[in-house]
Amino acid sequence: DTEVTQTPKHLVMGMTNKKSLKCEQHMGHRAMYWYKQKAKKPPELMFVYSYEKLSINESVPSRFSPECPNSSLLNLHLHALQPEDSALYLCASSHVAKNIQYFGAGTRLSVL
Amino acid sequence: GESVGLHLPTLSVQEGDNSIINCAYSNSASDYFIWYKQESGKGPQFIIDIRSNMDKRQGQRVTVLLNKTVKHLSLQIAATQPGDSAVYFCAETRLTYGNNRLAFGKGNQVVVIP
Repeated sequence: DTEVTQTPKHLVMGMTNKKSLKCEQHMGHRAMYWYKQKAKKPPELMFVYSYEKLSINESVPSRFSPECPNSSLLNLHLHALQPEDSALYLCASSHVAKNIQYFGAGTRLSVL
Repeated sequence: GESVGLHLPTLSVQEGDNSIINCAYSNSASDYFIWYKQESGKGPQFIIDIRSNMDKRQGQRVTVLLNKTVKHLSLQIAATQPGDSAVYFCAETRLTYGNNRLAFGKGNQVVVIP
């Protein structure tokens, strides 16, 4: 099973809202990732968690706040987003020592 | 034929023909390469990988070729099917413990004509 599950599939939010994206995997992977993807572009890395600790933050604005409550779950908390933050947000996971990342289907986010 | 659109190079291929998707990578220190397929409305899906000590690797209907001299990677799809219509991304990385970064290429759109 190489499934990474993301919820919700679609999200529309206003600039003053607070929302959260969720990601879950049961492959025993101890590295989890958040990516942002704009249309017709490759995924851009935002955050990496390794053994439930934040190991990489690619200078992401503080209105995006990641959280890794346990080895299977990854959240991305959103607050005071801008319209330019509208994108597909992808979660991925991998073994720490292997680089094949398995992606979820993403959350399509629209900020109004 | 192949054309460069506003954002993505696009390869149009007749169903049943073979497809070749090319990727130029940038880091000569990269030693591991992955091809992903992304269908509309889905996340990237792992297709095949290759280490830098190999120059060719075959999977089911797919073959990846690596030319380290010119830093070039290609994905060949045999007998292309309508389900192969997608955007294909190459990705490069270094196999160093704790290095979890993948550098993605710009992507190539494949359109299969029935």
